[in-house]
Amino acid sequence: KQEVTQIPAALSVPEGENLVLNCSFTDSAIYNLQWFRQDPGKGLTSLLLIQSSQREQTSGRLNASLDKSSGRSTLYIAASQPGDSATYLCAVVTQGGSEKLVFGKGTKLTVNP
Amino acid sequence: NAGVTQTPKFRVLKTGQSMTLLCAQDMNHEYMYWYRQDPGMGLRLIHYSVGEGTTAKGEVPDGYNVSRLKKQNFLLGLESAAPSQTSVYFCASSYLGGSETQYFGPGTRLLVL
Repeated sequence: KQEVTQIPAALSVPEGENLVLNCSFTDSAIYNLQWFRQDPGKGLTSLLLIQSSQREQTSGRLNASLDKSSGRSTLYIAASQPGDSATYLCAVVTQGGSEKLVFGKGTKLTVNP
Repeated sequence: NAGVTQTPKFRVLKTGQSMTLLCAQDMNHEYMYWYRQDPGMGLRLIHYSVGEGTTAKGEVPDGYNVSRLKKQNFLLGLESAAPSQTSVYFCASSYLGGSETQYFGPGTRLLVL
């Protein structure tokens, strides 16, 4: 059974800092990995999707990497801003898993002005 | 486009009552999903649909039923609500299943007393 773990559960940084969020998964046979952002009381917003054949994806100040063989992904946020404060969720689709997303529990990020 | 919408936004039920949550999407997506989000448990898949007229069980289907009579709508029913079903319910949709980004609705907060 696929399990997704995100460490740390919470992170507080000063504005302007570069930071890395970590995600690990137990079954490396995945179709893709997705990073989402969730603001308090809101739904999830997709940030980046990395296919299993890819090593990284970039969108603005965000860069996500994927090391499928080791079961790890990182989300790098450059020059963090208070508006980046949210919970970041990692999710994978496992091969043979009926194309269903399995989510980690998230990292709650606070960027202090 | 409205994207994914959910009705209602908030509901209070008494134990044993029934209700239906409505999800609608205007993106012509084939796949639709119902998740529940609980503190410390993350997002868990309840039921999903790979096309009009189809439904399938997810990770936590007990106590819930679903229907996909129209492509754009996915209904989640609680036949006899229990306090354990107090949660935030999210609907999501995607064009081609796990290989594609999932788009989430704003959520429905359900409190069962």
